[in-house]
Amino acid sequence: QVQLLQSGAEVKQPGASVKISCEASGYTLTTYAMHWVRRAPGQGLEWMGWINTDNGNTFYSQNFQGRVTFSRDKSASTVYMDLSSLRVEDTAVYYCARFNGGLAPWGQGTQVIVSS
Amino acid sequence: DIVMTQSPDSLAVSLGETATINCKSSQRVVYGPKNRDALGWYQHKSGQPPKLLINWASTRQSGVPDRFSGSGSGTDFILTISSLQAEDVAVYYCQQYSLSPQTFGQGTKVELK
Repeated sequence: QVQLLQSGAEVKQPGASVKISCEASGYTLTTYAMHWVRRAPGQGLEWMGWINTDNGNTFYSQNFQGRVTFSRDKSASTVYMDLSSLRVEDTAVYYCARFNGGLAPWGQGTQVIVSS
Repeated sequence: DIVMTQSPDSLAVSLGETATINCKSSQRVVYGPKNRDALGWYQHKSGQPPKLLINWASTRQSGVPDRFSGSGSGTDFILTISSLQAEDVAVYYCQQYSLSPQTFGQGTKVELK
């Protein structure tokens, strides 16, 4: 069964960084790209970018350029999303999702709260 | 960037009736040598991750009830939910994956009347 398991909720202060993990099981990580999407309170889904899990190439949405970094550990079948210089408006649920002609499946989501 | 615009923003439908959601892209979303429409529809229920219902504009995913159907091509797409059930209450999004940055519509909230 294909599953994506994300790390737990985080509470951060403005200006800090957060790193979320997404562990893939039930398939070979490097077979599919991994995307990241977030949903802020009262907002819709916002696409953040993707990582080629085989060669590590990345594409970031301009909205996050310079603040976000995707990486992967093939031996651990895990992808990471690192978001720096956090702002209150980065409070959201962050999802990883496997891309295969659409995004499926999705991780369960990681709540990130940014508050002073 | 390709802009995806959904309509309406919300709709209330009676049990057993049909819900129709429109999605318009600012340019064609074709992809690949077969020029398929790279358009997906997602269902997002509160407290759960989004779920892919339909990809390539009209291909229903395994396990998705056949009351969900996708249609359209080019720049205009439709998600139809026939015979609405209580468990279909959710926010629905279209997404284009033809070009990066991939983009979502703003979402359509489906409620029971």
